[in-house]
Amino acid sequence: DIQMTQSPASLSASLGETVTIECRASEDIYNGLAWYQQKPGKSPQLLIYNANSLHTGVPSRFSGSGSGTQYSLKINSLQSEDVASYFCQQYYDYDTFGAGTKLELK
Amino acid sequence: EIQLQESGPGLVKPSQSLSLTCSVTGYTITSGYDWSWIRKFPGNKMEWMGYISNSGSTNYNPSLKIRISITRDTSKNQFFLQLNSVTTEDTATYYCASQGLGRFDYWGQGVMVTVSS
Repeated sequence: DIQMTQSPASLSASLGETVTIECRASEDIYNGLAWYQQKPGKSPQLLIYNANSLHTGVPSRFSGSGSGTQYSLKINSLQSEDVASYFCQQYYDYDTFGAGTKLELK
Repeated sequence: EIQLQESGPGLVKPSQSLSLTCSVTGYTITSGYDWSWIRKFPGNKMEWMGYISNSGSTNYNPSLKIRISITRDTSKNQFFLQLNSVTTEDTATYYCASQGLGRFDYWGQGVMVTVSS
């Protein structure tokens, strides 16, 4: 199995701040990576696929980057509605997930 | 808009079978996508369990292969999860989702299942 190590586990940031969440794969996943947002009691929502492609309807303040084994999700100009948990998924070889990052407002 | 909704018992006894239904609206499950089950354990670890394709073929997580079955009823636009011989370690929130080109585009709200006597 490809292991996904996500960091940090939790994050506190101020409105307007830029935040970055990272996922490291145990082997090269060739950009087969997606990022999701999940709010309490809600279903996960796809944000980014293929490491850096923005899903339809997702605000442009979200962006993804990376290659090989290292990937990141960046949220520019943090908004109150961005308070949520975020997790990554690799789909290069079967599907495995990061443990998630809980984003709170400072 | 594609919507998915899980349903099924919230409590299952150890050694019994867990059976869940995913009802899909806004899209016909034979038209495209793979239709997956994913679970999230207490502590937030997530595990892809398997899928049934739009053509009816299945693919399972090797760690579950001997216990899992995913089937469908195309007349009702539903697909199903059966997990046999459950233990307390199968306690989780179970999600159904549509998967295309690797990513999960649409998810259900999830159903919490507790395995306990």
